[in-house]
Amino acid sequence: DAGVIQSPRHEVTEMGQEVTLRCKPISGHDYLFWYRQTMMRGLELLIYFNNNVPIDDSGMPEDRFSAKMPNASFSTLKIQPSEPRDSAVYFCASSYPLTGPARNEQFFGPGTRLTVL
Amino acid sequence: GENVEQHPSTLSVQEGDSAVIKCTYSDSASNYFPWYKQELGKRPQLIIDIRSNVGEKKDQRIAVTLNKTAKHFSLHITETQPEDSAVYFCAASIERTYKYIFGTGTRLKVLA
Repeated sequence: DAGVIQSPRHEVTEMGQEVTLRCKPISGHDYLFWYRQTMMRGLELLIYFNNNVPIDDSGMPEDRFSAKMPNASFSTLKIQPSEPRDSAVYFCASSYPLTGPARNEQFFGPGTRLTVL
Repeated sequence: GENVEQHPSTLSVQEGDSAVIKCTYSDSASNYFPWYKQELGKRPQLIIDIRSNVGEKKDQRIAVTLNKTAKHFSLHITETQPEDSAVYFCAASIERTYKYIFGTGTRLKVLA
């Protein structure tokens, strides 16, 4: 398996523009997570899905952010309109629950470095 | 809400010395505690994890200890090497939700 795939790897855009980040989870994984990483705030969980259904979006900063998972192999994170403070590295991760005691390693994608000018 | 505190934020050690990173979690329902290593410009990757029914786990030069009563867990790296230089994140997993709450990270520098 190629692992979690994210695109684009780098995105530079101007304030006010719409940005769409894409993620393909590892095949067979039931959970998908979107994180944002900045120096000031570390790794923040934005939203996560189970079987394509959003479970917890309490980390989404505001209405400018939205995420979808139309099928098991694809998810998008959209920012509209983008602002300079959205500049960060955005990671997608996927995992699957094993039976028995809880253990759920999350596998991270390479990330998308977003710069909003 | 759920919270994970991690200390120190930066740590410098001489090559060959040991390094210890400590985390405290708030939610007593947490039962899975992974540690991730993130090298500069790379993705976080799991290096070791521990379940709540185990007090200690070791994998070569790294070990993790868990004190459920105190809600503390720690990462221990022995005989540090320059390639151990990275940012290390602890996390606590909330039972039945499969989501992580990450600590703020520790930047470890191993000086040659």
